[in-house]
Amino acid sequence: DIVMTQSPDSLAVSLGERATINCKSSQSVLYSSNNKNYLAWYQQKPGQPPKLVISWASTRESGVPDRFSGSGSGTDFTLTISSLQAEDVAVYYCQQYYSSPLTFGGGTKVEIK
Amino acid sequence: EVQLVESGGGLVKPGRSLRLSCTASGFTFGDYAMSWFRQAPGKGLEWVGSIRSKAYGGTPEYAASVKGRFTISRDNPKSIAYLQMNSLKTEDTAVYYCTRPGKRLLWSGESYWGQGTLVTVSS
Repeated sequence: DIVMTQSPDSLAVSLGERATINCKSSQSVLYSSNNKNYLAWYQQKPGQPPKLVISWASTRESGVPDRFSGSGSGTDFTLTISSLQAEDVAVYYCQQYYSSPLTFGGGTKVEIK
Repeated sequence: EVQLVESGGGLVKPGRSLRLSCTASGFTFGDYAMSWFRQAPGKGLEWVGSIRSKAYGGTPEYAASVKGRFTISRDNPKSIAYLQMNSLKTEDTAVYYCTRPGKRLLWSGESYWGQGTLVTVSS
């Protein structure tokens, strides 16, 4: 199984400041035949289902603000919120879909400082 | 508009069975894999299993924690996915989500999620 490790577990950022979340996979999730990273980022607010914000490591979903960006390749990935807004308070999860079983990181709770 | 609505959750005793349904609308159901995820109270997300689309053989895959106890099936004409849960354990207590990926591939990011249905396994 591919183990996904997120850091930090939580972070508090001032409004308008940058938030950075890291995710590391125990093996590469880069599929060489198409050069795509099989890595997604989800946002989950209390009492709601998760929402896909980034797929293929760096493709922002339709309707997701451009302050959200994903980067990285192979085994190391980052989700960046360039200017934190109050509505971004949530838990963020990375997930690999390179192989079964699909696995998630433990989550990072983002709060306002 | 894509919609996924789970039903069938509730309180059940350990060792008993429960069947969840996921009624889909707004897309050609048979063209997409469908998955189930769960989230225990206060915990993270866990993949339960998926069933492939017709194009990929329509076969299911399961997490090790549920393999042999849970069965995923689909009724394409009715646009419903099912999660049959047998021999339930207290550790199966969770909100169960039905999902659909963004692309007609076996695996891609899960773009659509239902609101979830709570399954509580307790004596």
